[in-house]
Amino acid sequence: DAGVIQSPRHEVTEMGQEVTLRCKPISGHDYLFWYRQTMMRGLELLIYFNNNVPIDDSGMPEDRFSAKMPNASFSTLKIQPSEPRDSAVYFCATAEGNQPQHFGDGTRLSIL
Amino acid sequence: AQKITQTQPGMFVQEKEAVTLDCTYDTSDQSYGLFWYKQPSSGEMIFLIYQGSYDEQNATEGRYSLNFQKARKSANLVISASQLGDSAMYFCAMREGGQGYSTLTFGKGTMLLVSP
Repeated sequence: DAGVIQSPRHEVTEMGQEVTLRCKPISGHDYLFWYRQTMMRGLELLIYFNNNVPIDDSGMPEDRFSAKMPNASFSTLKIQPSEPRDSAVYFCATAEGNQPQHFGDGTRLSIL
Repeated sequence: AQKITQTQPGMFVQEKEAVTLDCTYDTSDQSYGLFWYKQPSSGEMIFLIYQGSYDEQNATEGRYSLNFQKARKSANLVISASQLGDSAMYFCAMREGGQGYSTLTFGKGTMLLVSP
């Protein structure tokens, strides 16, 4: 079975540009999570969805960040405008109910 | 207070030896779950093992076992017969509560280096 698929794997862009990260969950998983990982703050939960509905976005750092899940097969995390402090690894993870979360390979984002 | 504490920033072990990675947690819930994830240098997060608070037996998955001591609120990961491929960052995580859904809280991680 295919795991969680994230794209792109790496993204380098200049500050002020819009960045869109994509995630395809494991089929049948009803929960989807977006995390950010940095050396300073570790792994932080940004937002999660249940059955395509956002449940908790309290971890989203500011209004520049937005996330959508238009259907069960796709989610996006958008940063507009991007800033150098947004540089991090962004993970998407999915789960079926209370089963363990399975992570994608992450997107390494560098904002210059 | 931190919910998950991993006190060992780094650990060294020789190949074929066993190693224990420490994790203590803080919760007032009676129902909770504890997880361990591995993150190799390539960056992906790999689920290793799960222990529920009501599970009477310690969880085991191949060479991984979880030494669950409820009274001490510890959930240490034991890796037997270490291999070079075990070199990675290891994260302990907790999910609290039995009603509805709750999210994971991760520790800061322990870097494990396995030497030949």
